Amino acid sequence: EAGVAQSPRYKIIEKRQSVAFWCNPISGHATLYWYQQILGQGPKLLIQFQNNGVVDDSQLPKDRFSAERLKGVDSTLKIQPAKLEDSAVYLCASSSLNRDRGHTYEQYFGPGTRLTVT
Amino acid sequence: RKEVEQDPGPFNVPEGATVAFNCTYSNSASQSFFWYRQDCRKEPKLLMSVYSSGNEDGRFTAQLNRASQYISLLIRDSKLSDSATYLCVVVRGATNKLIFGTGTLLAVQP
Repeated sequence: EAGVAQSPRYKIIEKRQSVAFWCNPISGHATLYWYQQILGQGPKLLIQFQNNGVVDDSQLPKDRFSAERLKGVDSTLKIQPAKLEDSAVYLCASSSLNRDRGHTYEQYFGPGTRLTVT
Repeated sequence: RKEVEQDPGPFNVPEGATVAFNCTYSNSASQSFFWYRQDCRKEPKLLMSVYSSGNEDGRFTAQLNRASQYISLLIRDSKLSDSATYLCVVVRGATNKLIFGTGTLLAVQP
């Protein structure tokens, strides 16, 4: 089974520029997550989608970050304009909720996009 | 205060040693608990779930103490391949939100 795919793997931009990241979740997974992981910290949830609807975006800096999952499969995360403090790894994850076996919370992470803002 | 707190380490231990990591969480409404493992410059991967009754998987044992809001991970007979960052994770809320600790770095020495 193919895992979560992300691109690009690395991106270097100057502050105030724009950048976009792409994620393709595991086939059939309805829930998709974007996390930001700053060096030395654990991942922090930015936004969670259930199919193409937003479930939680409480920690997304909406003045500069946006995300969409138009057809309930792939997703893009955009930063416009970028700041120095946005330098981090952006991780996409997906999960499948299996109610027959109780709640299954395992999230499968993609390899991440390492963003450097100079 | 962070919602999930871990000792960042690093823990430097020789091969064969037993090492224990601890984690505390502040939200008593947290409903599920996990340990994830993250290798250097890689993505996090689920290591094991944590239950009040204890959960053992080979050399790894996880334990939850809800009264003290405390989670532990014990690794016996450490291997070089166990070197990684171990992330304590708490799940809460109707959306099953994962809250990660900062991680504890383990370095197993030959």
